[in-house]
Parts: sequence; structure tokens; C-alpha cells
Amino acid sequence: ETGVTQTPRHLVMGMTNKKSLKCEQHLGHNAMYWYKQSAKKPLELMFVYSLEERVENNSVPSRFSPECPNSSHLFLHLHTLQPEDSALYLCASSQDIPFQQYFGPGTRLTVT
Amino acid sequence: QQQVKQSPQSLIVQKGGISIINCAYENTAFDYFPWYQQFPGKGPALLIAIRPDVSEKKEGRFTISFNKSAKQFSLHIMDSQPGDSATYFCAASIESNQFYFGTGTSLTVIP
Repeated sequence: ETGVTQTPRHLVMGMTNKKSLKCEQHLGHNAMYWYKQSAKKPLELMFVYSLEERVENNSVPSRFSPECPNSSHLFLHLHTLQPEDSALYLCASSQDIPFQQYFGPGTRLTVT
Repeated sequence: QQQVKQSPQSLIVQKGGISIINCAYENTAFDYFPWYQQFPGKGPALLIAIRPDVSEKKEGRFTISFNKSAKQFSLHIMDSQPGDSATYFCAASIESNQFYFGTGTSLTVIP
């Protein structure tokens, strides 16, 4: 595997479910990010981790909970989501904030 | 308030023509301006980036023009090809952890 991988690629979940998105980077980077991409809206930065420490949380609702166990892995834990949370969730990594972010293919999330 | 405004929303260009996408920003503290290219089913990929101390940067057929006084920057794609058909995002960041993206421009290059 090379670059940034994300699993699953597609996820459908009910509003009462709990699920997790996984991201793995194979680039040796020290910073990782979660973004939300909705149609006709700018990419929204959700979380930033540098050296496994969270450095930014852009007022994201608590139903989204990130976890960064090491510099290569990033998770986004989801619970009691709303239909408006349906979007493409992108993970990215970089060597030193904010330069040259490399994005994964994203997880298409649908909340029913 | 949208930090970075991008236009047009969509663009159709003939093969061989020049594609131009514009972005404007307000925060003069921004110090890094990348452009990303995104194909369907893929994440954005960094295309080219510029710092505000440079007025132009060229990489192959892609050029960023930067106007610091007007707080505007643009992407020019010369000799546009059908393979360039994608969504393009401009972005601006402050050298810490603040990133702001434009809303994207869907480019279609007609053969």
C-alpha cells in the first residue's frame, strides 16, 4: 500500500449506530487531518493531529470523536449522527503542518 | 464568512484553450496558497502552490498568478486537455493549522 488509504470507502449507518472510519498513511508524515467534503461547500477542516497530539478542533460536534494512536493511523469515531452529516470524509497527511497535504480517497458516509 | 472565494463554479473549455480559475481572500496573514485537483472518486491532489513573496509560479502547463495587493490568485491551465477535466480547489493557510478552501470549480475540457 502506498500513500494514504481509507476504509471503508462507503458507509451507510442509522442515526443510532456507532461506527469508525480508519485512515492509514504510508508516507512517514508527522501530521494527519480529517476533512468533511459536502457538495457545493468548501472543504471543512475538522481535526488536525501533529505528532499524535491534537492541535486543532474546529468546533466539531462531539458526535465526531477522533483518535490518533500513532503517527501512521487516524480514526474518526461516529455516534448518533444526523442526516446532515452525510458527506465525503477525507483524511490527509503532511510532513510538518501545513505543507503538501496528501489526501486519501475518502469515505462516502450516508446517514439514514 | 467564507475565507476564500472561488470562481467560476463551473468552466467549459475547448481542447487546447486556456482555463482560468480565480480565487480571492481577505486575511492578509495567509502565507501559503495551494491548488488541488480532484477527480471523481479520488481525494484532492496537490497541483501547485505559491508563497505571497512570488508573483508567479509555473509548473509545466499550470501557472499560478498571485496579486498580493488585490488579494487574488488564479490558476491558469495552458493547452487544456480532456484529461484535465476535474474539480479544482484553491486554498489558503496560515503557517500553523488554519486551512481554508474555496468551493471548487468543475472544469470540463471538450475534445
